[in-house]
Amino acid sequence: KAGVTQTPRYLIKTRGQQVTLSCSPISGHRSVSWYQQTPGQGLQFLFEYFSETQRNKGNFPGRFSGRQFSNSRSEMNVSTLELGDSALYLCASSFPTRTSGSGPVEQYFGPGTRLTVT
Amino acid sequence: GDSVTQMEGPVTLSEEAFLTINCTYTATGYPSLFWYVQYPGEGLQLLLKATKADDKGSNKGFEATYRKETTSFHLEKGSVQVSDSAVYFCALNTGASGTYKYIFGTGTRLKVLA
Repeated sequence: KAGVTQTPRYLIKTRGQQVTLSCSPISGHRSVSWYQQTPGQGLQFLFEYFSETQRNKGNFPGRFSGRQFSNSRSEMNVSTLELGDSALYLCASSFPTRTSGSGPVEQYFGPGTRLTVT
Repeated sequence: GDSVTQMEGPVTLSEEAFLTINCTYTATGYPSLFWYVQYPGEGLQLLLKATKADDKGSNKGFEATYRKETTSFHLEKGSVQVSDSAVYFCALNTGASGTYKYIFGTGTRLKVLA
């Protein structure tokens, strides 16, 4: 079974531009989460999507947005890029829906997209 | 709010040395606890997990025990190898209200010397 794939793997953008990153989850997985990883802040949760709906959101400004398509593929968009947005953006997928008492749901991570803002 | 604290790195060990990476957490309710590993240029991989107090997760020679009384989930390995060199992340998952998000520690870089 193919793993989580993210495209592109590397990206260089200029301040003020906008960028779209893509994530294809493992086949059958319906939940997709996004994380930002930086040396100073570590891994920070951006948002999670399930069945095309955002279920959970971290503490990031509105410049960060996402969506999920009917085939569970997800995109995240960052508008008006700032230097501080330079980071590794990780996508993780999981299955099935977690319900109370059912135990943790393992997340499978993609290799990430390395975004550099100049 | 919920949080995870892990020991600062980097940790440098000789091959076959004993490894401990400390992790403590703060959470409401009863979280599940995880250790993830990230090798250079790759995403995170689940190493082990524990879902309730006193559970011991283990994988590839690594172990961690869910200690509710000390709110800890320390990672241990009796004899490290050069191939264990990576960044290790402790994480919790509260799964409140049928949804969930993971909270990660800042990561601990391990370097094992031959």
